[in-house]
Formats: sequence, structure tokens, C-alpha cells
Amino acid sequence: AQSVTQLDSQVPVFEEAPVELRCNYSSSVSVYLFWYVQYPNQGLQLLLKYLSGSTLVESINGFEAEFNKSQTSFHLRKPSVHISDTAEYFCAVSDETSYDKVIFGPGTSLSVIP
Amino acid sequence: KAGVTQTPRYLIKTRGQQVTLSCSPISGHRSVSWYQQTPGQGLQFLFEYFSETQRNKGNFPGRFSGRQFSNSRSEMNVSTLELGDSALYLCASSPQAGGPRELFFGEGSRLTVL
Repeated sequence: AQSVTQLDSQVPVFEEAPVELRCNYSSSVSVYLFWYVQYPNQGLQLLLKYLSGSTLVESINGFEAEFNKSQTSFHLRKPSVHISDTAEYFCAVSDETSYDKVIFGPGTSLSVIP
Repeated sequence: KAGVTQTPRYLIKTRGQQVTLSCSPISGHRSVSWYQQTPGQGLQFLFEYFSETQRNKGNFPGRFSGRQFSNSRSEMNVSTLELGDSALYLCASSPQAGGPRELFFGEGSRLTVL
């Protein structure tokens, strides 16, 4: 069964500094990977996804994530964060054995410090 | 296009009572998934419905149940409430069930059990 680990529960970072939020998954078959963001008092919204093809995927607001099959990772990065990036970030996985389930990691709380 | 609507947004119940939460998916979306979000456990998958049929179920006791109506609206019910049921209950819809897909989340129903 697939599972998702997010090693950092909280990440404080200064404004305009780079950030990396780590995500590792466990699955023995082909996987589909997602990053969702949850702003305070809101539901989750999709940030970016990897389904196939290029292992580097980008979002419209400057985030990117790279699928690394050998390390079973899908880390999220941004070269320069803004105050508005303060939110909870969730990594999620779905695989070809259980399409119906999208399994989420425990989340990483990103706090951007002015 | 209206987003996913969940009602009520906030509610307080006492132990032993039951509660019903409602979710209206995005128009045209036929799949509805439910998740429980708590600080300690993150997002835990409850169940998914498609065309009025439960397609998948998470590891929750039988006190948690759900259903879907012909208009794709969904309800979930929790009977004999326990203190540990206090959580944010999130509903997510998607156009189809199965396969790698984006989930569109509502803002959630925050349940407090006293």
C-alpha cells in the first residue's frame, strides 16, 4: 500500500529566501504525485502534479517539484518565497493499484518571516 | 462556476449525539470524496462515492457512513460521537472516479465534540 512521508512538520523561512519541502512516498508500482496547498481557513487546492513525462513540474506561482524515482521523492522547491506563501503544504500520491484513493502526507506548515 | 460547497461550516455537538454533514460538488462532477483532517493525523481518507455508489472506504469504524444522491450531492453521518471525532471534515469532488485526477476541495465543516 502506498504511503507518504513529509519529514518536516514546520518550516520557517525568511522572505525572499529559497525553500524546499520534502516528500517521500512508498509504492512499488507507477505513481502519480501531487502537491496541494491549504491557506488559513480554506480548503486544499492543487499546486502541481506529476503524472508522466518530464520529471520536473512547475506551478504558475513559482513553485517546482522534481520526481525522483530512485529516491522515491517529490520535493517541492521555490527559489524566493513571499509572505503570501505562508500556508500548509500537502504531498499526495495515487498509484495504478488503487486509483480511487488519493493518500495525503501529514503536511508541512510553511511560515514566511518578514 | 461555483466551487464545492459544504454545510454547515461550524458545529458543536456533545458525546453520544450524531451529526450529518452535506457536500455539493462542482456542477458536472460525479465523484465525491470525504476526508477527516486533524492536527495529529493529517488528512485521512473516509470514503468516495460515484454515481450513488461507494467505490472505496478508508479505515474508519462503522459509525462513519455516507451516501450520494442522484444529483451527486453527498452527505456523511457520524453516529455516537466521541471526543476524538472533533476535526475538520473536507469534501472533494472530481469529474470522474478512478485514475490520477485533481481533487477540488470545499472549505470544510469544522466539528467540535464536547
